[in-house]
Amino acid sequence: EPEVTQTPSHQVTQMGQEVILRCVPISNHLYFYWYRQILGQKVEFLVSFYNNEISEKSEIFDDQFSVERPDGSNFTLKIRSTKLEDSAMYFCASSDRTANTEAFFGQGTRLTVV
Amino acid sequence: QKEVEQDPGPLSVPEGAIVSLNCTYSNSAFQYFMWYRQYSRKGPELLMYTYSSGNKEDGRFTAQVDKSSKYISLFIRDSQPSDSATYLCAMKGMNTGFQKLVFGTGTRLLVSP
Repeated sequence: EPEVTQTPSHQVTQMGQEVILRCVPISNHLYFYWYRQILGQKVEFLVSFYNNEISEKSEIFDDQFSVERPDGSNFTLKIRSTKLEDSAMYFCASSDRTANTEAFFGQGTRLTVV
Repeated sequence: QKEVEQDPGPLSVPEGAIVSLNCTYSNSAFQYFMWYRQYSRKGPELLMYTYSSGNKEDGRFTAQVDKSSKYISLFIRDSQPSDSATYLCAMKGMNTGFQKLVFGTGTRLLVSP
């Protein structure tokens, strides 16, 4: 069964450092998303991406965040200068059509900022 | 008022029980409704999705949407210990620019043998 894969599963970084979280969406999907979940809190939308551009973003997704699809298979989330409050699980998701929303999630990257 | 409300639980039931999980919402623009299951420190796994009002059944799971009451439910029949997890409701609108899924906080379910 096709699945969304994310690497690494756990990343520890020092405050102020840049991190790149990587995702390989399901191969025939066209829409890609990043969500995050702070420990004990709900899953929150960060950004959606379609046709090589951001289609929607939340207020969380400020100038410290960026997304990229560098090739035909990867989808990345970059945090330029990490803060302690960026510590969370980050989930990548993909769907083939936004209107018929079956969004499939990866297993997540646990980011710990120290 | 929160956009999506969900009782965090935990909800403890014996094996074989029928489980009812619920969410309420305030945004009438929501058209698509989903239930995800999440095991500890894992990604959300899609269980059910429905469009607009009505029921949808898949094996032991039934999803129900009542748009007039802004209320959705997930029923699990013959619950198993392996069903122990956190259940997340999620919903979205239809229009471009409203693509994000809005999640509830999740209900933790514990099914004891």
